[in-house]
Amino acid sequence: GENVEQHPSTLSVQEGDSAVIKCTYSDSASNYFPWYKQELGKRPQLIIDIRSNVGEKKDQRIAVTLNKTAKHFSLHITETQPEDSAVYFCAASYGYGNNRLAFGKGNQVVVIP
Amino acid sequence: DVKVTQSSRYLVKRTGEKVFLECVQDMDHENMFWYRQDPGLGLRLIYFSYDVKMKEKGDIPEGYSVSREKKERFSLILESASTNQTSMYLCASSETSGRGNEQFFGPGTRLTVL
Repeated sequence: GENVEQHPSTLSVQEGDSAVIKCTYSDSASNYFPWYKQELGKRPQLIIDIRSNVGEKKDQRIAVTLNKTAKHFSLHITETQPEDSAVYFCAASYGYGNNRLAFGKGNQVVVIP
Repeated sequence: DVKVTQSSRYLVKRTGEKVFLECVQDMDHENMFWYRQDPGLGLRLIYFSYDVKMKEKGDIPEGYSVSREKKERFSLILESASTNQTSMYLCASSETSGRGNEQFFGPGTRLTVL
């Protein structure tokens, strides 16, 4: 199956600075890479995703980049705000029809006001 | 808006009890999933269903079974609960397209086995 590694495990940033989370994956057949944000006590929610035919995607302060050759993808959050504090999970699709997702272990991001 | 609901937010059971966790989605999704979430371990797939009565084992199926008799409902069964099954259980659903799709999560059930 797919193996997704996520680094660092905890990230503290000053409000207004940028945060970057990196993930690697192992299955070259993976074609869908979502990022989920989970606030304390809440369900994971999709914040951005990218497909394998695209190298970069941006949505306001959030961007994701994908390097298929190196099998890694990254989440970039600019101008961080306290409400960005959460656990972020990366994932990669795998299996028949790419219906399954393999998740990384998660990053705790703390934005310091 | 997709809605995925789970039968309980919190559940306390005793060792050896049979436990049923239920999940319902209202968007006619083909795929449904059960995950277990533990601190530092991320989300681990227990079972996956791609159609009514169809199921596939995930990464950690031992001690669990599932049932999908209707498209909108996916149940997770702990045949004989043990203390190491104390965890947060998340259900999710998604469309099927062959290209990978967003999974929509339920609110989770925090299960404590005493």
